[in-house]
Amino acid sequence: GAGVSQSPRYKVAKRGQDVALRCDPISGHVSLFWYQQALGQGPEFLTYFQNEAQLDKSGLPSDRFFAERPEGSVSTLKIQRTQQEDSAVYLCASSPDRANGNTIYFGEGSWLTVV
Amino acid sequence: SQQGEEDPQALSIQEGENATMNCSYKTSINNLQWYRQNSGRGLVHLILIRSNEREKHSGRLRVTLDTSKKSSSLLITASRAADTASYFCATALMRFGAGTRLTVKP
Repeated sequence: GAGVSQSPRYKVAKRGQDVALRCDPISGHVSLFWYQQALGQGPEFLTYFQNEAQLDKSGLPSDRFFAERPEGSVSTLKIQRTQQEDSAVYLCASSPDRANGNTIYFGEGSWLTVV
Repeated sequence: SQQGEEDPQALSIQEGENATMNCSYKTSINNLQWYRQNSGRGLVHLILIRSNEREKHSGRLRVTLDTSKKSSSLLITASRAADTASYFCATALMRFGAGTRLTVKP
């Protein structure tokens, strides 16, 4: 389809394992966002890319979290040495323009459970 | 805070009634957006209101914006069970609050 695609949709990781979550934004979209959403909570901002440049990573909770978008399209969120508190839905969103209050389009999320 | 804060946290109404939820923010804005999230899904954009607009309509949705009070409201008229979802507001930096969880009982 033409929407934001995330994979895997569901991931169960053992504590201490590294995970990588992939986001395919809508083709041509400049802006890309990652959010973390715990059960019953709102999406918490993690990081923002404009093309390949990571302009804001203020929301990444620790240095175990790393995101990249090397060619300005597909992005990967990597979590090293996962812990139980990392269990959440990770949402990716993209926007055709620079982030300035423009509409963003969300994927369905990657559900991570750390056991 | 750079995010919108929604209230109430939860709202339960009967089908056919109107639902009103509010958003407050602290920074100046160019526009404000409302999003909806069905359980287990991503967020879906509902409506955007610009800072020079006071009211905007889209189908059964009515959004108001009061920049002097730094607040916005989302009204859903003639609610349906399918409107059951969480609703979020967002300003320029695309930060979200905890949302309002709306339950519409058939």
